[in-house]
Amino acid sequence: ETGVTQTPRHLVMGMTNKKSLKCEQHLGHNAMYWYKQSAKKPLELMFVYNFKEQTENNSVPSRFSPECPNSSHLFLHLHTLQPEDSALYLCASSQDETGGPNEQFFGPGTRLTVL
Amino acid sequence: GQNIDQPTEMTATEGAIVQINCTYQTSGFNGLFWYQQHAGEAPTFLSYNVLDGLEEKGRFSSFLSRSKGYSYLLLKELQMKDSASYLCAVKDSNYQLIWGAGTKLIIKP
Repeated sequence: ETGVTQTPRHLVMGMTNKKSLKCEQHLGHNAMYWYKQSAKKPLELMFVYNFKEQTENNSVPSRFSPECPNSSHLFLHLHTLQPEDSALYLCASSQDETGGPNEQFFGPGTRLTVL
Repeated sequence: GQNIDQPTEMTATEGAIVQINCTYQTSGFNGLFWYQQHAGEAPTFLSYNVLDGLEEKGRFSSFLSRSKGYSYLLLKELQMKDSASYLCAVKDSNYQLIWGAGTKLIIKP
């Protein structure tokens, strides 16, 4: 239990569906992250929010839309995804987005399958 | 471009010692992290190095050489529960983590 929860844990969706992933952190952190993890590939940073403001969008396609209503909650809205978007989506949080140890705490992830 | 290299897979014997290497080329350096990820679970933080040298934490140690762009994670007295993937990551000049693809460590009895 890392203090970061994600729902759902598994999601199967068609290419025309709209779904949302939810992340909640109970650590009092100010920075939250979305990552994509595909088999045998490095973690890909998708979005970063620091104090509720988006500070990073790593050229992510517009079919992925993040939302951060407050420092504890982060959503990833999914729309018209492609089969190649099937992956494990990890949420993480850290005290803030600076140097120092400031390690990231990860949720268990949502295993997404796009048919 | 930015790059983190680590072996894809390693095998070791229970009770033995294993060293997992990581080399990096990044724009800036604000520390190097090692994470452990068991299959189907979240990555969990193991260690952080920002100065050259060895950091020891129980059975796990992590070494850094900034001039060589090199780090290793040393695991002693291996246990079956150490079977996992070990991820190396470097915080760059923008304070973003650049990740390696991970090293899958298989422990045999």
